[in-house]
Formats: sequence, C-alpha cells, structure tokens
Amino acid sequence: AIQLTQSPSSLSASVGDKVTITCRASEDIRSGLGWYQQKAGKPPELLIYDASSLKSGVPGRFSGSGSGTDFTLTVSRLQPEDFAIYFCQQFNSYPLTFGGGTKVEIK
Amino acid sequence: QVQLQESGPGLVKPSGTLSLTCAVAGDSISSSYWWSWVRQSPGKGLEWIGEIYHIGITNYNPSLKSRVTMSIDKSKNQFSLKLTSLTAADTAVYFCARRTSQPIFLDNWGQGARVTVSS
Repeated sequence: AIQLTQSPSSLSASVGDKVTITCRASEDIRSGLGWYQQKAGKPPELLIYDASSLKSGVPGRFSGSGSGTDFTLTVSRLQPEDFAIYFCQQFNSYPLTFGGGTKVEIK
Repeated sequence: QVQLQESGPGLVKPSGTLSLTCAVAGDSISSSYWWSWVRQSPGKGLEWIGEIYHIGITNYNPSLKSRVTMSIDKSKNQFSLKLTSLTAADTAVYFCARRTSQPIFLDNWGQGARVTVSS
C-alpha cells in the first residue's frame, strides 16, 4: 500500500498567517491526491482534488500543488474557522490511503 | 444535496460481527458513484475499508479483506458493511461516503457511527 507522510503533525498559527502542509507519497501517485479538513465530531470535508483543483464552494485562500510524490496544501490567510485537522488521501491506486493528519491550532 | 446516514449497534462483543447500514437520500444508489466505508480511530487514523458499485463490484482493503463483506439494497437505497472476528482494534468511528468516478474523491460523508468492541 502507498504510504502518505504528512508534516508537520501539528502547528500553531495566528489568524492571517500563511500555512503550508506537506504530504509525501511512498511512490509516484501522479496527481491522484485530495485534501480534506476535519473539525471535531464531524466527518472530513473535501477541499482539493486532483492535487490542485479547488472543490466548488471552498474559499480561494486554500490551494494545492504538487505531483508525483510531493504535495502541498497552502492556506494563504488563516481564518478562525480554519483551525482544524487536515488530511491528504491518495486515489492513484488501491487500497486508498490517508496521511496521518496535521492539526492546525491557534497560537 | 446528498445525505448519508449510518446506523447500527454502538457496542459489539469481541469475536462478534459488526453490521452497519448507510441510508442514502438525495441520490440513487444505482447512480454512477461508488459507495464507500472509512473508519477512524485514535491509534490508526483514517483507514479506507472498501467500496461497492451498484452492480455488486467491490474493492476491499487487503488488510481487512478476509473479514469484510459489503452489499447494496436497491429497494431501500442503502448499502451495508459487515466486519467479522472483531477485536478491540476495530473500535472506531465508521463513516460511509460517496466516491466519484472521475475525478476521484470522496465528496459526501455520513456523520459517522461510533462502534466500541468490548465485552
């Protein structure tokens, strides 16, 4: 199975900061990666698919980039509602796998 | 707006069988989507269990394949998960979700069903 390694596992940031989360795949997954946001007690919600495509309705401050094995999720100006856990997931091959998550906390 | 809702027992005994159902509203179970199960536990994070297509095609995670069965009930517009030979390691929140075909992603999720394996 393809392993996804996210870093950092947690970070502290302030409202208005730019935040970058990385996801590294154990093998080439082309652009088959999605990013999700999860808040306490809720299911994950899709933000980005195909590595860089923004899901309709998701604020433009979220962006994704990368291909192959290295991917990035960027939040350009962190808002109060963005404090959550972020996960990457690969869709290139079975079994589908998730990264371990990055918790974004308020500084 | 598609809505998915999991249902099933919250407590199951070790060595027993977990049975969960996901009711789908706002979409037909026979549409061009795959219907998926994902679980989340503190120890193992998010884990994809598998998926089923309305004509009965399934894809299972090899780590669980020997214990998993998924099925579809078109008359009730729902799909189900059975997981056998339970241990404490199967304690988790179980989510059902809809997976698109192209591009591929999980676009709608249920709220999750918490399942504890304990005697």
